[in-house]
Amino acid sequence: DIQMTQSPSSLSASVGDRVTITCRASQGISSSIAWYQQKPGKAPKLLYSVYRLESGVPSRFSGSGSGTDYTFTISSLQPEDCGTYYCQQFYSTPHLSFGGGTKVEIK
Amino acid sequence: EVQLVESGGRLVQPGGSLRLSCVASGFTFSRHDMHWVRQPIGKGLEWVSAIGTAGDTYYAASVKGRFTISREDVKNSLYLQINNLRAEDTAMYYCARVSHSIYVLDVWGQGTTVTVSS
Repeated sequence: DIQMTQSPSSLSASVGDRVTITCRASQGISSSIAWYQQKPGKAPKLLYSVYRLESGVPSRFSGSGSGTDYTFTISSLQPEDCGTYYCQQFYSTPHLSFGGGTKVEIK
Repeated sequence: EVQLVESGGRLVQPGGSLRLSCVASGFTFSRHDMHWVRQPIGKGLEWVSAIGTAGDTYYAASVKGRFTISREDVKNSLYLQINNLRAEDTAMYYCARVSHSIYVLDVWGQGTTVTVSS
């Protein structure tokens, strides 16, 4: 099974800050990674996969990486971006796996 | 509107059984692979099971042999039969749709809560 190690587990940043979340896969996953946002009491929401943002997702969100190491960036943190972010690999389809999550808070 | 609605979660004693349901609307259910993902309260997401459009099934090692995923396309419904429930199965259970274009979960239900306790 492919393990996804996500860091940090939580972060606190100010409005307007650049925020970066990292996921490392236990083996190469050829950019087969997606990023989700989850707000308290809600289901996860798909934000980004491979090289594209989902429809309606602001362009301040972006992803990059290759091989085993991937990053998800919020270029200018906004108050509505609070929540927990998860990476998920789909290289070993249909056996999926998620990172442990990163809780993003506003300072 | 594209929607998934789960039901069937409740309080169950250890060793008991439960069947979760997920009803789809707003899209052609039979054309999509479907998944179950669970989340213990306050913890992260865990992939549980998947079913393809041809009825092929897949399970996480932690649930294999106790969980059975199935689908009934005429009823736009996905199911998860859970047997021999354990305390560690306590979680919110989400059903999710696989996107047509790439293998990501692009539509999620609101979840149904399973609590295993005596």
